[in-house]
Order: sequence, then structure tokens, then C-alpha cells
Amino acid sequence: DTGVSQDPRHKITKRGQNVTFRCDPISEHNRLYWYRQTLGQGPEFLTYFQNEAQLEKSRLLSDRFSAERPKGSFSTLEIQRTEQGDSAMYLCASSFGADEQFFGPGTRLTVL
Amino acid sequence: AQSVTQPDIHITVSEGASLELRCNYSYGATPYLFWYVQSPGQGLQLLLKYFSGDTLVQGIKGFEAEFKRSQSSFNLRKPSVHWSDAAEYFCAVVDSNSGYALNFGKGTSLLVTP
Repeated sequence: DTGVSQDPRHKITKRGQNVTFRCDPISEHNRLYWYRQTLGQGPEFLTYFQNEAQLEKSRLLSDRFSAERPKGSFSTLEIQRTEQGDSAMYLCASSFGADEQFFGPGTRLTVL
Repeated sequence: AQSVTQPDIHITVSEGASLELRCNYSYGATPYLFWYVQSPGQGLQLLLKYFSGDTLVQGIKGFEAEFKRSQSSFNLRKPSVHWSDAAEYFCAVVDSNSGYALNFGKGTSLLVTP
């Protein structure tokens, strides 16, 4: 296991389309986090899972966003009816408990 | 909620010179603090972390940081900068109200000149 992986690395979509991103955490990590990073800003927390349970969601996570982590392994983040303001880098991180978070390379979303 | 502020948006340093990147935190108790580096096209990499104990923390790539409670600071330092250190640096603090998610500063962009 070489680290956190994310797929795709880049996604270009038209406004109004739905997109889904996948994150595969480090296998023994029970926590998985999603962050969003816009240009010139630090990453902002969106949501996190402990095993398969989604325990916290940020106010940034509008109703158009949904995340799942079936079976406590990989996670998906879906954005419905994308808007231009959704254009950002979506980062996934995993950790074992409250220990150090390891980040994936991110998925860069461009909404035209 | 716990938060951090990075006062410097951009910093330019000559190769071989010393570096200090500033980070101020806002939290009443002892915070869990981190410094991450992000190079173009790369993911965030942890440089070092502070949970408790010795206030001078050693990290990877020759970086260190000092926790100063009296100044609410956690500044990152390196005695001699290499051209490969050019990157975006983020200070972060754990938000214990959000499952230990990280609250990041806005980052400091480091440019290294020959």
C-alpha cells in the first residue's frame, strides 16, 4: 500500500452535470476526510468518516454534495448539478484515529 | 473553533539563506499543530507536528518549528534553504469539534532565488 489514491486526477464537466470522485485510503486507516481547496486558499474541511459512518459535515457541504464510505473502505464524493463555484481541488486524507492525516494527490474539478 | 493565521502570503529567500514562516494560532488550550508543504502537482506532505512536550519540533527535510504559547505562534524554520524548497507551506490546527479535521491557514508561497 503506497498511500492515499484518488481518481480521477482531473475532471472537466459542464455546469449542471453530476460528477463523482473516488478516494482509496491507506488500508488500515479508519478515518477518512474530504477537503476542498480553491486557488490561493488552504484546504477547507468538508466531511469525515470513521469506518463507514459519516460523523461530521461542514456548512460548506451543500445539499448537492453527498459522500459515502461503504464497508469502511474507499469513499466517493458526488456533486449533483455542478456549478462554476464548485471548481476546486478536492482532497482526500486518511488517518488511524486522531493521528497524522495522509493526503492523496487530489482531484481537480473544472466546471465550464 | 481553533484556527491559524499565516500573515505572509509570499516570501522570497535566496538559496542558502535562512527561512522563517510565521503561523499564529487561536485556541485556549494546547493545540495540535502541523506544518504541511504542497509542491505544484503534488499532494500535501507533512513536515512536522506538535502535540505536546518539547516545544522545539524537528521535521523532515531539515525543517523545525517552535511552539511558543506566550506568542500563540508555531513558526517554521530552516537554516539554509535549497531551490527545491520552493512550494506552498500550510500551517494547520486540529479542530477537536470536527473529528480532528484540520483547519488550515491560507498558506505562504515560498520563492527561492539563485
